[in-house]
Order: sequence, then structure tokens, then C-alpha cells
Amino acid sequence: DQQVKQNSPSLSVQEGRISILNCDYTNSMFDYFLWYKKYPAEGPTFLISISSIKDKNEDGRFTVFLNKSAKHLSLHIVPSQPGDSAVYFCAASDGTNAGKSTFGDGTTLTVKP
Amino acid sequence: DADVTQTPRNRITKTGKRIMLECSQTKGHDRMYWYRQDPGLGLRLIYYSFDVKDINKGEISDGYSVSRQAQAKFSLSLESAIPNQTALYFCATSEPGQGISDTQYFGPGTRLTVL
Repeated sequence: DQQVKQNSPSLSVQEGRISILNCDYTNSMFDYFLWYKKYPAEGPTFLISISSIKDKNEDGRFTVFLNKSAKHLSLHIVPSQPGDSAVYFCAASDGTNAGKSTFGDGTTLTVKP
Repeated sequence: DADVTQTPRNRITKTGKRIMLECSQTKGHDRMYWYRQDPGLGLRLIYYSFDVKDINKGEISDGYSVSRQAQAKFSLSLESAIPNQTALYFCATSEPGQGISDTQYFGPGTRLTVL
């Protein structure tokens, strides 16, 4: 049973428009959520996170929204830039101090100039 | 200099061979992890270690073993490699605690091919 799901394997948007990447989870014990970005031939890098006590966290062009009742989170990138083209992974942890995260399968974002 | 390094970056080996992937970090973190990524899939946890004396199996530990030689070094071994272990392997570190400290810092990855 996959506890973190990213149902869209790929997304293509025009430069300057909004990119919305979605993530659903099934484990109600998850209380911390992270997004990572991965370029080819590199390891994932941390992008933005949100605690379950919040419903929104913003960092520059990146905003993560959390809907706990729907067990859904989304990453908004505004405006999208060609350099944002990468694979985006959603991850969740259950706050038991275990430090382990469960990852989704990733969404490949392509931003066209 | 990179905070988390992995060697080798690429490796081709044959079925039945023993192979070791190495990870070193300069972040001073106690926690280290090994993941594998297969095409189109996310990161799956193989093993993790919260300190030198603490080793734990992840969700896909069969066929793998690890060694935590020091706080800064965590090695992954395939005792007898098989073709379905062909994948991209990532090492990661994190700090203990909750919330923001769950953030993991990844190495650049090792691409392993088992023929």
C-alpha cells in the first residue's frame, strides 16, 4: 500500500505560468511534509516543508498548501521558470522522532520557454 | 565541497559479485540513510542508522547489508549482486529531532548496473 502518492507522473507548463504539483497521503499519523527537487545526475535537494499545524507555507515563488481533512497537499510555483524543470518528490514523516520519510514516486515538471 | 559524497558514482558489475557503495558526510549529522530509486519510482529506504551503534532495516533490506564505520561513514554492500538490484542508490543524512530536522540531505547518487 503506497502511503504517499503523486498521481501525475509529468506536468508541462509555459514559462511565467503557475505550476501545481499534487500529492495525496493515506497515513493520518503523518504530521510533517516535505518537497524535494531533483535534477538529472544529482541527489534530491530540500525545497520547502509544512507542519500539520499549518495549512500554508510560502517561500519566495514556492508555496505548499496542506488540506488535512482531504489528506492532500500541493506545491505551487509562481511564476514558473525553465530552471524549475526537474523531478519533484513529495515526502511525509510521522513525527515519531524517527527521522524517516516516505516518498512519493515523483512528478517530472517541464517548464517551456 | 559537497557535504555528502558517494563513491563510486557509476559502477557496472556482474551477477554474483560483491560490491560496496560508500558514503561520507561532513555535516556532522548522526543519522544516515541508504535509498534506492528505480525508474519512475520514488525513493525506497534500504537501511538507516541513527548513530554508530544503531542500524535498522528499511522497507527493502533483503540482499543488502550496511556498516557504520564512523559518524561520518556509512557503507552499503551487496553480498551477491543480482540484476534486479540495478538502480540508482542515494545516501542521505539528517539531524535528530522533529519537524524541520526531518529534512534529509542527499548525496549525488551511485548508478549501479548488474549484468
